[in-house]
Amino acid sequence: DSGVTQTPKHLITATGQRVTLRCSPRSGDLSVYWYQQSLDQGLQFLIQYYNGEERAKGNILERFSAQQFPDLHSELNLSSLELGDSALYFCASSGDYNEQFFGPGTRLTVL
Amino acid sequence: AQRVTQPEKLLSVFKGAPVELKCNYSYSGSPELFWYVQYSRQRLQLLLRHISRESIKGFTADLNKGETSFHLKKPFAQEEDSAMYYCALTINNAGNMLTFGGGTRLMVKP
Repeated sequence: DSGVTQTPKHLITATGQRVTLRCSPRSGDLSVYWYQQSLDQGLQFLIQYYNGEERAKGNILERFSAQQFPDLHSELNLSSLELGDSALYFCASSGDYNEQFFGPGTRLTVL
Repeated sequence: AQRVTQPEKLLSVFKGAPVELKCNYSYSGSPELFWYVQYSRQRLQLLLRHISRESIKGFTADLNKGETSFHLKKPFAQEEDSAMYYCALTINNAGNMLTFGGGTRLMVKP
């Protein structure tokens, strides 16, 4: 699959825990974006990386952090998890023409 | 700050009827507008973007800067059009992040 991939597909954890979500962009895409989709907030931009550097920040909580590695994959770290962090987390990547291609998402459930 | 509004959470039409999914935006500059579609259990896919002025799967959308709208239209709805539709914008000096509307669920009944 040459598209955007995300692992794991589902994650169930408890409050207070820490999890890491992983994203592999399309081949050749330098930009990676993270979005959160929840019932009450809709789809919200969290953070963007471009070729390893943070490019833009949205409504990302201080408990959340991300990074992009030299091979361009990205990880989103969520710590001190709360019930309200339960959501679908999407990763997207883009190349030269600004079209963002989305991954299948990771569904996080915090119990 | 920029904002995208999709006033209808659910739109239900019969097969063959015209469809219009509304999208309004607020931004003082010149954003780029998109429509994304999410079919059941699938990932978000780009349907169309205003700069390309294409018609995809029979859908069109015209950017109306005066009314700050980017409504999505199709003259004859098909059952396979049933999905969630999201309007989004990006402003190029902000890293190209997408600001999404709340989404409209389109149901096309047979």
